[in-house]
Amino acid sequence: QKEVEQDPGPLSVPEGAIVSLNCTYSNSAFQYFMWYRQYSRKGPELLMYTYSSGNKEDGRFTAQVDKSSKYISLFIRDSQPSDSATYLCAMSAGAGANNLFFGTGTRLTVIP
Amino acid sequence: EAGVTQSPTHLIKTRGQQATLRCSPISGHTSVYWYQQALGLGLQFLLWYDEGEERNRGNFPPRFSGRQFPNYSSELNVNALELEDSALYLCASSLVRPPQPQHFGDGTRLSIL
Repeated sequence: QKEVEQDPGPLSVPEGAIVSLNCTYSNSAFQYFMWYRQYSRKGPELLMYTYSSGNKEDGRFTAQVDKSSKYISLFIRDSQPSDSATYLCAMSAGAGANNLFFGTGTRLTVIP
Repeated sequence: EAGVTQSPTHLIKTRGQQATLRCSPISGHTSVYWYQQALGLGLQFLLWYDEGEERNRGNFPPRFSGRQFPNYSSELNVNALELEDSALYLCASSLVRPPQPQHFGDGTRLSIL
């Protein structure tokens, strides 16, 4: 079993839709949770960074972490064609174990 | 503020050769991480350097090695290249005390012929 599981999609939605992206994980030591966006031929770009459980909102993006269920989500409201990219969840235990464990990524296409 | 920069953008080698990839972190960041993004395998952790020391390495053979220089820049060396080493190699940097998120460069595409 991989440490981080992510539905690879692809996911195709109309412009303006709400998008829900999810990851599950198995290692209860993970405390830091991130979502990255990766455009073709580019490196991952940090979208959201959360510590432990809870919600975090930044503009059209909301990240949720449920450590009891080992489940994290990213919601994108009012999706735009420019949101078309691959979305990667990532997590780490921190405290000297800073290396990130990534999901395989979900490819999102927002259709105008 | 300049982001993480990596060079070269693309590197073509043949089997058995050696490759050197370079990374300059964001100014002020002391930690540099290397990841491999191979087709179908996702991003996998290779190496972590902080303050010039190797702090952790992923499940890769010893022919993957690197170092961090006094100015915190880093290089990744891959010896005895194999076809399966073809991948995008990504460098990230961060502060670690307290733990901060990692910021990535755009990578070096290594192609093995």
